[in-house]
Amino acid sequence: GESVGLHLPTLSVQEGDNSIINCAYSNSASDYFIWYKQESGKGPQFIIDIRSNMDKRQGQRVTVLLNKTVKHLSLQIAATQPGDSAVYFCAENKDSSYKLIFGSGTRLLVRP
Amino acid sequence: GAVVSQHPSWVICKSGTSVKIECRSLDFQATTMFWYRQFPKQSLMLMATSNEGSKATYEQGVEKDKFLINHASLTLSTLTVTSAHPEDSSFYICSARPLVAPRGNTIYFGEGSWLTVV
Repeated sequence: GESVGLHLPTLSVQEGDNSIINCAYSNSASDYFIWYKQESGKGPQFIIDIRSNMDKRQGQRVTVLLNKTVKHLSLQIAATQPGDSAVYFCAENKDSSYKLIFGSGTRLLVRP
Repeated sequence: GAVVSQHPSWVICKSGTSVKIECRSLDFQATTMFWYRQFPKQSLMLMATSNEGSKATYEQGVEKDKFLINHASLTLSTLTVTSAHPEDSSFYICSARPLVAPRGNTIYFGEGSWLTVV
């Protein structure tokens, strides 16, 4: 079936470096994508979103890139901090219903 | 602060009993809420769409008679796990979409509810 998947289950980065988390999606009709951060025992926390009519969107220290040609989504975190350590999920909205389909998640570990 | 609240945050129940989890939107109305389940070290899996004033829509493989959903008002959806078994132990998370734009273009998640069935 259709799914949203991630290339790397765990990413370890040095504090201060930039982090890049990748996500592949399979439904070319998806029109809305969201990145979430989830800390242990907590609900997902919205980071940034992007609609299919855009290929890049920037927030505070975060940038999301969307490549519709290869169905690829990435989250870039600049100057990664210890507080960024968490599991990151991409989510895909297939039919504008906001029934989000979540990827498998990437754990980001920030080394001091 | 949280705009979607779940209660209880955690609950332990005996096998065979039922447990109810509430999802409230605190400062907006939502005709649509969603329930997810997350097992340890796994992703969120959509269970059902809760529709205010009508029956919930369940995802394939989710038993509607076991996971009862009631969306009686524009700010409250409840998930009742009936005849709970240890394999139902999980992290249950709800989300809500505001009725009114522009917030209607955003999904808000609750903090989740831990269920342990013993």
